[in-house]
Amino acid sequence: AQTVTQSQPEMSVQEAETVTLSCTYDTSESDYYLFWYKQPPSRQMILVIRQEAYKQQNATENRFSVNFQKAAKSFSLKISDSQLGDAAMYFCAFTSGTYKYIFGTGTRLKVLA
Amino acid sequence: NAGVTQTPKFQVLKTGQSMTLQCAQDMNHEYMSWYRQDPGMGLRLIHYSVGAGITDQGEVPNGYNVSRSTTEDFPLRLLSAAPSQTSVYFCASSNLGRKRSHEQYFGPGTRLTVT
Repeated sequence: AQTVTQSQPEMSVQEAETVTLSCTYDTSESDYYLFWYKQPPSRQMILVIRQEAYKQQNATENRFSVNFQKAAKSFSLKISDSQLGDAAMYFCAFTSGTYKYIFGTGTRLKVLA
Repeated sequence: NAGVTQTPKFQVLKTGQSMTLQCAQDMNHEYMSWYRQDPGMGLRLIHYSVGAGITDQGEVPNGYNVSRSTTEDFPLRLLSAAPSQTSVYFCASSNLGRKRSHEQYFGPGTRLTVT
């Protein structure tokens, strides 16, 4: 069975510093997609970044970047220059294109002023 | 574009009552899905649909029914509500075209409490 594991229930970071959120997954598929979603207190799910497994280059979106290690089945999210607005729950998600998406249990990120 | 809309935003039910959570999208997406979010458990897939007339079960389908008569709408029915169905429910949609991004667009969620 495919699984997604986020082993950090909560993380804290000082404003303007860098933080890395961890995600590991398990699959026997070779072609799949990985996502990081942000859920602020408003409850809205917002896509932060997306990675296709066939692409070796790590995805980057402004201050957000991933470290995708396919062999290790690891997909961590790095947030640079953290801002107060980055405080939220972050979910790692996986799909292999079978129409089913698997989400991790989430990491709550606190940003300290 | 309104994106994905869900109604109601909040609902309180008594055990045994039935209700329908509404979901609509205006992006002409073929794929639609329902999730429940519980503390410490992330989002779990209840049911999904890849087009009008086609639905399938996800990870936690028991106690829920769905149907898809149009591309735009994907209602979720609770047949006989139980306290274990107290949760936040999200609807999401995605395109399945040739340039499929696999990204899901989420509605704002419905907080359901069953007493």
